[in-house]
Amino acid sequence: DAGVIQSPRHEVTEMGQEVTLRCKPISGHDYLFWYRQTMMRGLELLIYFNNNVPIDDSGMPEDRFSAKMPNASFSTLKIQPSEPRDSAVYFCASSQRELNTEAFFGQGTRLTVV
Amino acid sequence: GQNIDQPTEMTATEGTIVQINCTYQTSGFNGLFWYQQHAGEAPTFLSYNVLDGLEEKGRFSSFLSRSKGYSYLLLKELQMKDSASYLCAVLGQAGTALIFGKGTTLSVSS
Repeated sequence: DAGVIQSPRHEVTEMGQEVTLRCKPISGHDYLFWYRQTMMRGLELLIYFNNNVPIDDSGMPEDRFSAKMPNASFSTLKIQPSEPRDSAVYFCASSQRELNTEAFFGQGTRLTVV
Repeated sequence: GQNIDQPTEMTATEGTIVQINCTYQTSGFNGLFWYQQHAGEAPTFLSYNVLDGLEEKGRFSSFLSRSKGYSYLLLKELQMKDSASYLCAVLGQAGTALIFGKGTTLSVSS
């Protein structure tokens, strides 16, 4: 398996524009997580899915953020409209059902909103 | 509430030993993970502890005390390539997601 695949790797957009980040988890993994990483706040959980169903979205900053998982092999994180404070590295990760298995991270999307 | 604390930065010399501490307060506990993250890269798994005691894996060891809410990562025979950020993460209640500390940036010098 190629691991967790995220696209794009880098995104530069203007304030007010819509941004869509994409993620393909490892095949057979039941959990998918979206994290955001900044210098100030570290790695923060935004939302996670179990078997394509959103379980906890309490980390989503505000209504401008939305996430979907239409099937087991694809998820999106959308920001509309984007703001400069959304600039960060966004990571997608996936893991298997068992609690003691580690989460595998994608390479991340570095988002810059100008 | 959930809180995970670890030092922001540490420095060490090549060939020596360094211990990175982590304290946590979480709702429920189902394991503690350590991840390594090199600059500009994704976090990668290092170790997992769910029972008290020491887990050894090559040059890296991780210790857990559940009663104290405390863990440490021990890196032996430090190498320059060990310069990275080390993230402590806790799995709280069953079926939830990992919650990460802000990470400890380790700089190894020759």
